[in-house]
Amino acid sequence: NAGVTQTPKFRVLKTGQSMTLLCAQDMNHEYMYWYRQDPGMGLRLIHYSVGEGTTAKGEVPDGYNVSRLKKQNFLLGLESAAPSQTSVYFCASSGEVNTQYFGPGTRLTVL
Amino acid sequence: EDQVTQSPEALRLQEGESSSLNCSYTVSGLRGLFWYRQDPGKGPEFLFTLYSAGEEKEKERLKATLTKKESFLHITAPKPEDSATYLCAVQAIQGGSEKLVFGKGTKLTVNP
Repeated sequence: NAGVTQTPKFRVLKTGQSMTLLCAQDMNHEYMYWYRQDPGMGLRLIHYSVGEGTTAKGEVPDGYNVSRLKKQNFLLGLESAAPSQTSVYFCASSGEVNTQYFGPGTRLTVL
Repeated sequence: EDQVTQSPEALRLQEGESSSLNCSYTVSGLRGLFWYRQDPGKGPEFLFTLYSAGEEKEKERLKATLTKKESFLHITAPKPEDSATYLCAVQAIQGGSEKLVFGKGTKLTVNP
């Protein structure tokens, strides 16, 4: 039982490049979330999903897209990366809308 | 607007020196308050959920309490391995959906 896993752990992009972050959970959770964590800002919700095939915007959705084609996976995409998207990205999942379990994070640097 | 404020931002303790971390919140209709621990370079690790004023939960040297306006995380006789950032979050309704609103955390350092 791995819990929540994230791929990759680190990534460096140039401005304008695109990439996809993968989150996988093996707890059969309905809800999944993507957060970003910046110094002095705390965790901020980017997008979330309440079930397979559904997505919704969080607090800071601009510049990101998501997809939930399978219940266990939640993808976060950056179509044209900007330096302001340099951050640590965390995925989380929950069986109900509480007790979220987090992955280990992806550290993204955009040059 | 739903808000979570944690204090202090940073706290240094000597091993064995007990203290408390504070989490104050303003939310319309609290559905739950959560405490997480986050070690450097890792994701937040769930500690406690509190649902109603007066509720308390304990785990080893940690005890979380809840009132109508704030929560405290009491650390009794801390050890160096308790050093971490402690995050507080409240479950709130935003945009018609329930979400967690996080505070910025308290960085705890316990010196041997």
